[in-house]
Amino acid sequence: AQKITQTQPGMFVQEKEAVTLDCTYDTSDPSYGLFWYKQPSSGEMIFLIYQGSYDQQNATEGRYSLNFQKARKSANLVISASQLGDSAMYFCAMREGGFQKLVFGTGTRLLVSP
Amino acid sequence: DAGVTQSPTHLIKTRGQQVTLRCSPKSGHDTVSWYQQALGQGPQFIFQYYEEEERQRGNFPDRFSGHQFPNYSSELNVNALLLGDSALYLCASSLAAAPNYGYTFGSGTRLTVV
Repeated sequence: AQKITQTQPGMFVQEKEAVTLDCTYDTSDPSYGLFWYKQPSSGEMIFLIYQGSYDQQNATEGRYSLNFQKARKSANLVISASQLGDSAMYFCAMREGGFQKLVFGTGTRLLVSP
Repeated sequence: DAGVTQSPTHLIKTRGQQVTLRCSPKSGHDTVSWYQQALGQGPQFIFQYYEEEERQRGNFPDRFSGHQFPNYSSELNVNALLLGDSALYLCASSLAAAPNYGYTFGSGTRLTVV
């Protein structure tokens, strides 16, 4: 069974607008962490934001925020005020329990137009 | 402060050959993980090294092996290469004491098997 599901293969947004990238996850472990990474065409995975399963508040990092809905098992990434440089692949990932391995979704390609 | 360094950046090998990929972790990190990313897919966990030992392994055959050196750098070896091994191989470093942060990825090695 898919542990991380990203249902949007591609998303388009105009510069300066906000965009939400969807991510749902599946785990029975009460302790887990959720991550979002950006992967430009260069290949490097760039860490954006982290949310722990016990965190009470939604994580925010600059223009990135994570809309964490635990009961729905969703962890959507919100990018405010999109910039042209935001065009890239975006991956949602999960770390379960005491393990350090990350399980990734299939990604969403975001294209920001002028 | 150097991030994760991987070498080589690109590699072309013939079926049946063996390949060694190298990774230097971010300064201060002690754990190295390797991921395989096929075209259009999310990264898949291969294995993780800590204190020169393989700590966790994903669903990859024994043809994939690794090593971690006392300076925390790591190698990924793949024997008897198959066409399906063609992928971007990503190295990620982290600190064992802080698993929720600092998953720093390198830019990867793009391996093509012909």
